[in-house]
Amino acid sequence: VMTQSPASLSVSPGERATLSCRASQSINSNLAWYQQRPGQAPRLLIYGASTRATGIPARFSGSGSGTEFTLTISSLQSEDFALYYCQQYNNWPPYTFGQGTKLEIK
Amino acid sequence: EVQLVESGGGLVQPGGSLRLSCAASGFSFSTHWITWVRQAPGKGLEWVANTRGDGEEKYYVDSVKGRFTISTDYAKNILFLQMDSLRAEDTAMYYCARMSGYCRDYGCFSTHYFDYWGLGTLVTVSS
Repeated sequence: VMTQSPASLSVSPGERATLSCRASQSINSNLAWYQQRPGQAPRLLIYGASTRATGIPARFSGSGSGTEFTLTISSLQSEDFALYYCQQYNNWPPYTFGQGTKLEIK
Repeated sequence: EVQLVESGGGLVQPGGSLRLSCAASGFSFSTHWITWVRQAPGKGLEWVANTRGDGEEKYYVDSVKGRFTISTDYAKNILFLQMDSLRAEDTAMYYCARMSGYCRDYGCFSTHYFDYWGLGTLVTVSS
């Protein structure tokens, strides 16, 4: 089971946001983060817990291993306000997602 | 450029069937696994099924086993999802996605995260 916290987060543009994801058992570093803007498909941000996907800005960073993971977005831009999901791909099937964190403008 | 385009969604009655398609371009099914992920209205993401590009290995989430069948047209790079005995709880946007992978001299392997997604097709199960 993947548990994300908080469920929602209000942050001002230009500030830093920190999103958490916890796994119920060790998933090593087999964790991905996805961003979903309203009305759009999810987009891969991070894989391997800390590697940015192609074209993802450096303000997005991931960290963690085992059961505790963090997605940090430094200096939030307007386009970063969206839903964020973590996903484990260590123990599959099934591939499991967290319930999501909604990042809102403060 | 990798592109995935889903089609086949619509309104269907409980107990009915629907076949979704996903036309893929910019990569080959010989080198990548492909997957279906769904999202019920206002809810989170749920993995549904995945398959090796040649269709030789397939996996399903428990809630769709025996009702859904994933398959591919390997030559045409098209992914399918045959959905039978549909239930109200199957109502969702269905996305197809490519699973990232790599190839070596001895074969191609999936890394199991989803690197490209289609825009989705909406399935509504209602009487």
